[in-house]
Amino acid sequence: DAGVIQSPRHEVTEMGQEVTLRCKPISGHDYLFWYRQTMMRGLELLIYFNNNVPIDDSGMPEDRFSAKMPNASFSTLKIQPSEPRDSAVYFCASSFGTGSNTEAFFGQGTRLTVV
Amino acid sequence: RKEVEQDPGPFNVPEGATVAFNCTYSNSASQSFFWYRQDCRKEPKLLMSVYSSGNEDGRFTAQLNRASQYISLLIRDSKLSDSATYLCAVDSSYKLIFGSGTRLLVRP
Repeated sequence: DAGVIQSPRHEVTEMGQEVTLRCKPISGHDYLFWYRQTMMRGLELLIYFNNNVPIDDSGMPEDRFSAKMPNASFSTLKIQPSEPRDSAVYFCASSFGTGSNTEAFFGQGTRLTVV
Repeated sequence: RKEVEQDPGPFNVPEGATVAFNCTYSNSASQSFFWYRQDCRKEPKLLMSVYSSGNEDGRFTAQLNRASQYISLLIRDSKLSDSATYLCAVDSSYKLIFGSGTRLLVRP
């Protein structure tokens, strides 16, 4: 398996533009997580899905952020309109179940810069 | 107060030293605990799970103290290659919540 695949790896966009980040989880994993990482705030959980259903989106910073998981092999995180403070590394992670024996596998991340 | 807190460091230690990190969590109902390692500009990767009885993997020992709500990671005989950021993670209501990480620098 290729692991969790995220695209693009890097994105530079102008303030006000729409940004779409993509994630392909590991086949067979039933949990998918979106995280954002910055120096100031560390690794923050934005939203997670179980069996393609959003379970908890309390970490989504505001209405400009939305996430979807139309099927078990694909998820998107959209920011519209983007702002400079959205600049961060966005990670997608997937796991099979939860619990002490469950490992969350991370993608390589998307480094977003909003200018 | 953050749900999971760590000392950000950095911890700057010589090769061969023993170093310990602590991580506190606020949700007493948490059931699963982990240590992840993150290299510069890379994604986090699981280092080890933390079990109630404590567990060891080579030079690494993880312990859980439920009464005081903290987990710890001990690294013995540190190597240059151990230089990284160590993130603790807590499964809280099926959400995997991470601390901000502790940076470790091992010098020759």
